[in-house]
Amino acid sequence: EDKVVQSPLSLVVHEGDTVTLNCSYEVTNFRSLLWYKQEKKAPTFLFMLTSSGIEKKSGRLSSILDKKELFSILNITATQTGDSAVYLCAITTGTASKLTFGTGTRLQVTL
Amino acid sequence: GAVVSQHPSWVICKSGTSVKIECRSLDFQATTMFWYRQFPKQSLMLMATSNEGSKATYEQGVEKDKFLINHASLTLSTLTVTSAHPEDSSFYICSAQALSRDSEQYFGPGTRLTVT
Repeated sequence: EDKVVQSPLSLVVHEGDTVTLNCSYEVTNFRSLLWYKQEKKAPTFLFMLTSSGIEKKSGRLSSILDKKELFSILNITATQTGDSAVYLCAITTGTASKLTFGTGTRLQVTL
Repeated sequence: GAVVSQHPSWVICKSGTSVKIECRSLDFQATTMFWYRQFPKQSLMLMATSNEGSKATYEQGVEKDKFLINHASLTLSTLTVTSAHPEDSSFYICSAQALSRDSEQYFGPGTRLTVT
């Protein structure tokens, strides 16, 4: 059975801090890893990673994948209160398009 | 970007009744739609994969006779929760994927179901 584990489960930081969120996986026939941000409603897409070692960056957020060690990290620099959300990691495998989600990391950024 | 809508956004129903939730892709054709359920403070759990014009594929442990899925057109999928029970109360989210299997999934805003 495919497994996606995120850590930490929750995190409280001060505005301006840098955070690193972790996602590890055990799957058969990995295809891609995706990061989403979920506030009150549906998840919004952040990154899709398919190749090891290639950093994807969008503003203060960046992510990288290590297919040898089977994990990915999501970095957020200079955090703001608007970054408070649940960050979800998901994987796709084989020819299927369905997403298997991790447990999520609940991030709270305080003033 | 692509937009996916869900209707209703919030519904309360009595035990034993059925509730239908609609998922629409507004500006693209979605050959595949996915239905997820999310309990409070938990992650999204895939319930079923719905392909236009064919029967849905349900995940293990999801009762297909209880959660009826119809994907009759390339822009609409529906989920009907039949004979609802309080334990069916949850946040139901759909996502839609365009023609290529490598294309991104776009999520709807979700429907919060409360069964009393």
